[in-house]
Amino acid sequence: GESVGLHLPTLSVQEGDNSIINCAYSNSASDYFIWYKQESGKGPQFIIDIRSNMDKRQGQRVTVLLNKTVKHLSLQIAATQPGDSAVYFCAENTSGGSYIPTFGRGTSLIVHP
Amino acid sequence: NAGVTQTPKFRVLKTGQSMTLLCAQDMNHEYMYWYRQDPGMGLRLIHYSVGEGTTAKGEVPDGYNVSRLKKQNFLLGLESAAPSQTSVYFCASSYHRGLHTEAFFGQGTRLTVV
Repeated sequence: GESVGLHLPTLSVQEGDNSIINCAYSNSASDYFIWYKQESGKGPQFIIDIRSNMDKRQGQRVTVLLNKTVKHLSLQIAATQPGDSAVYFCAENTSGGSYIPTFGRGTSLIVHP
Repeated sequence: NAGVTQTPKFRVLKTGQSMTLLCAQDMNHEYMYWYRQDPGMGLRLIHYSVGEGTTAKGEVPDGYNVSRLKKQNFLLGLESAAPSQTSVYFCASSYHRGLHTEAFFGQGTRLTVV
């Protein structure tokens, strides 16, 4: 399933499906992006990052895609598991300043067994 | 392996009371941040610090003050708490090596102002 992170804050998928979480960013000067995962009652944790000179980066079961033309970022989770249920945030850092992470609204991913 | 530690974890305040939230990190990070998280609002930056003795305002600084007297500690103060400050507060710290700025977060402080 897909979601537009800022407009559909909840994404429900079945265990084993692939999940795609989207994020739109507004600052064309942003040159570094991070996806964080926040489990219930905990602080956000780093998942994967990508620099603006890349358009794809892969980790373990996760892939981040960056489309600078339309200022869009997506996080793909392969074979989604119940343990992936969490809120996912994209954060952007902008050069020329102090690289302070600015967070998007977040998308809640619910994985049904 | 403590990482980022926030104190306290929970607190209930009456309107007008003051309190200080403490954040401590043991990773020798230069940057530290305070965010608040409200339902449907994501994480909003209150104040941040790029080094010992320096602080700066973030997106929602009104009603809060901060201090960074020691590199490992970042304090968030509420001088006169208001119900609108009911939120979950997260502290984070990060190192900066070129563009890489992964932030490490504490477990959060749930504050209720009645």
